[in-house]
Parts: sequence; C-alpha cells; structure tokens
Amino acid sequence: EIVLTQSPGTLSLSPGERATLSCRASQSVSSSYLAWYQQKPGQAPRLLIYGASSRATGIPDRFSGSGSGTDFTLTISRLEPEDFAVYYCQQYGSSIFTFGPGTKVDIK
Amino acid sequence: QITLKESGPTLVKPTQTLTLTCTFSGFSLSTSGVGVGWIRQPPGKALEWLALIYWDDDKRYSPSLKSRLTITKDTSKNQVVLTMTNMDPVDTATYYCAHFNYYGSGRYAFDIWGQGTMVTVSS
Repeated sequence: EIVLTQSPGTLSLSPGERATLSCRASQSVSSSYLAWYQQKPGQAPRLLIYGASSRATGIPDRFSGSGSGTDFTLTISRLEPEDFAVYYCQQYGSSIFTFGPGTKVDIK
Repeated sequence: QITLKESGPTLVKPTQTLTLTCTFSGFSLSTSGVGVGWIRQPPGKALEWLALIYWDDDKRYSPSLKSRLTITKDTSKNQVVLTMTNMDPVDTATYYCAHFNYYGSGRYAFDIWGQGTMVTVSS
C-alpha cells in the first residue's frame, strides 16, 4: 500500500503570500492518479487538482499542481481569505486509494 | 448537475452492522468509467477511503477493512449501499459518498462529494 506524507503539517501565512504544499509517496505514483482536495471546517472536501496538474471545474488559476514519481506539489500563488483550509493529496494505485494526513493552511 | 446524499443511522451500538445509502442524481452508474466511492473522516482526523464500485459492478475495498465491508449498487434507484459489520467506537466518523469521475488519459478523481453523515458508535 502506498503511503502519502504531507508537509508541513501546518503552514501559517498571510493573505497575498504564496503557499507551497508537499506530498510525498512511499513509492512511485502515476501522475494520472494524483489529486488534491481542499476541506473547510464542517464541509465536504472539494476537488482542486486531478492528474497531478489539471485544475477541476471552477477552480481559480491561483491553484496549480506539479510533480511526478514520488514528489508532488500544490501551489497557491496568492492566498485569498477563502483559501485558509486543510489540503489533502490522494493517490490511486493498484486499485487502492490513499489520502495523505493533510496540511492545514492557517492565517499568520 | 451531480448531487449525492448519504443517509443512515446516526447512532449504532458496538458489534452492530452499519448500513449507509448514497442516493445520487445527475449521472447514471451504468455509464462507462463512472464510479461511486465511500470515504470516512473521524472527528479531527484525516480522510480514509473505504470502498468503490464501478459502473460495471467491479468493486474495490480498503485492504484494512475489506473483511467488514460490502458495497452494492442499484442502478434503477440511483443508489449505492455500503454495509460495515462489527462496528466499534473507533468507527465513529463522518461518512461521505463521492462521484468518481474519469477525465480521460487515465486520470480519475472524486469530483463531487455528498454532504456527509455523522455516525457515532456507542452503547
């Protein structure tokens, strides 16, 4: 089973700053099977990125995904107040899904 | 517009079997490439994938919970049902169902989620 590790656990930033979130896999993951989700308190997760770098419908272009193999990154170019949330990466390999533990982006 | 909604008991006793229903609209589970998955989230913790059923009735389960889970679909009713046996307090969580979308070129993701249903396991 592929284990995903996310870092940092918490990222404290100010609105307007750039956020860089890391997701590392215990073994190589196909880029096609790597996704990122955003979750706000009391809400269901929302798909941001699929296929490692494709934005889902309606997602602003300040969100971007990159990476391959075992290292993937979600970047938020300029944080808006509504972007403070928890972010999860997820992979789908060998017919098994796993989620990372999440990175909380909070207001500094 | 795709929507999904989970329903089921809010409280179950230890050792009981949990049955959750996901009722959806806006898509057909007989369409090639489509699936419905279940994911749970204990309070204050991360997401955990449980099971997935594809349009062709292929099923996938979390290895750690496989012996306790069964996922089925009723295409005519637009429903997916998840059963989990031998419930324990550690299974207390919000349970979500989600639409599993195929984007082409081998790319998949859970693109639309239900609101979730909180299940507490307690005697």
